Amino acid sequence: NAGVTQTPKFQVLKTGQSMTLQCAQDMNHNSMYWYRQDPGMGLRLIYYSASEGTTDKGEVPNGYNVSRLNKREFSLRLESAAPSQTSVYFCASSEAGYSAEAFFGQGTRLTVV
Amino acid sequence: QQQVKQSPQSLIVQKGGISIINCAYENTAFDYFPWYQQFPGKGPALLIAIRPDVSEKKEGRFTISFNKSAKQFSLHIMDSQPGDSATYFCAASNRGVRGGADGLTFGKGTHLIIQP
Repeated sequence: NAGVTQTPKFQVLKTGQSMTLQCAQDMNHNSMYWYRQDPGMGLRLIYYSASEGTTDKGEVPNGYNVSRLNKREFSLRLESAAPSQTSVYFCASSEAGYSAEAFFGQGTRLTVV
Repeated sequence: QQQVKQSPQSLIVQKGGISIINCAYENTAFDYFPWYQQFPGKGPALLIAIRPDVSEKKEGRFTISFNKSAKQFSLHIMDSQPGDSATYFCAASNRGVRGGADGLTFGKGTHLIIQP
């Protein structure tokens, strides 16, 4: 059982380049999330998808777009990368419900130079 | 506006001691309070969680204490071990809205070091 799988694990981009971070879960969860983690800032929600076919903005959505491709996959796209987007990105999934646990992937470390 | 405030930012505890991390929240609609543990190079993993209808929850050496009137909750790690050295995040969610499907609000994290 792989859980939540993110690709790539590491990426270096030049300012202005675009890229897509991929995320897939095999737990049949309805909800999926993208967070970014910066030193001293905790994890901040970028976008989420409560269920297949829906996406919503989180706390820090500017500069990002998302696609819920199907129930398993949720991708995050940077159209024109900026140094401020240097961060560790985590994808997570959970089932809805009062005590549902959110499961996180291993993260993608992105550096924009 | 930071909705979940966590302290301290870093903490050093001797092996066998008690580690205490505190969090305070502002949004009274929050009704689910998990703690996540993160090791270097890994994603966060759920450690323990509490609902506001109880004042304390214990799982092994880990205990959450919850004070609804003060809007505060804390994590206590008893008999702290070097293997507990990690970053700990408190979080909060409003599970009354779509089962909490709109995600978690995290504190900024506490870097815990347990000295042998």
